[in-house]
Amino acid sequence: NAGVTQTPKFQVLKTGQSMTLQCAQDMNHNSMYWYRQDPGMGLRLIYYSASEGTTDKGEVPNGYNVSRLNKREFSLRLESAAPSQTSVYFCASSALAGTNTGELFFGEGSRLTVL
Amino acid sequence: AQSVTQLDSHVSVSEGTPVLLRCNYSSSYSPSLFWYVQHPNKGLQLLLKYTSAATLVKGINGFEAEFKKSETSFHLTKPSAHMSDAAEYFCVVSDWDDMRFGAGTRLTVKP
Repeated sequence: NAGVTQTPKFQVLKTGQSMTLQCAQDMNHNSMYWYRQDPGMGLRLIYYSASEGTTDKGEVPNGYNVSRLNKREFSLRLESAAPSQTSVYFCASSALAGTNTGELFFGEGSRLTVL
Repeated sequence: AQSVTQLDSHVSVSEGTPVLLRCNYSSSYSPSLFWYVQHPNKGLQLLLKYTSAATLVKGINGFEAEFKKSETSFHLTKPSAHMSDAAEYFCVVSDWDDMRFGAGTRLTVKP
């Protein structure tokens, strides 16, 4: 039972470089989310996708783009990384549509450092 | 706009003693409330949720929480702490359009 799988688990970037975080879920969930976790701030929503083919901005979308490739996969792209984007990124999925209506299932996180 | 405040950033207890993690929320609606747990280098896992049914909610691993509307609180408790309970705990408030996480409470359990 893989659940939610994120890659890579660790990444170090230089300022201005680009990268894509990949996320896949095997639970046939409709909704998928990208969060960032920073010390003392809990989790903040970057983007979400309520269903295949739709994406919407969350609380902190600036500097990020997303793609809902299919029902299983939801990627997060940093076009020009900045030190302020140093964080731990979590992908999550939910069976129900909406920004959040029930239990979220989380991946194990991707730790990104931007120098 | 909704918000959630976890009143303690760090709680330390001895093994076998009670645990209390405090959470206050602000919401214009009748919210759903959740507690999630995060063990080191892991993703978050749902402990329990309140969705306007019984005000006392039981979760996994012996945890429970009580919804008190008059106090806008949703505190998490456990009668007897175990070493494996050491983790970070997040209180979450949500309605259909918005979900907000608290800043987290780190629970340390001493032998």
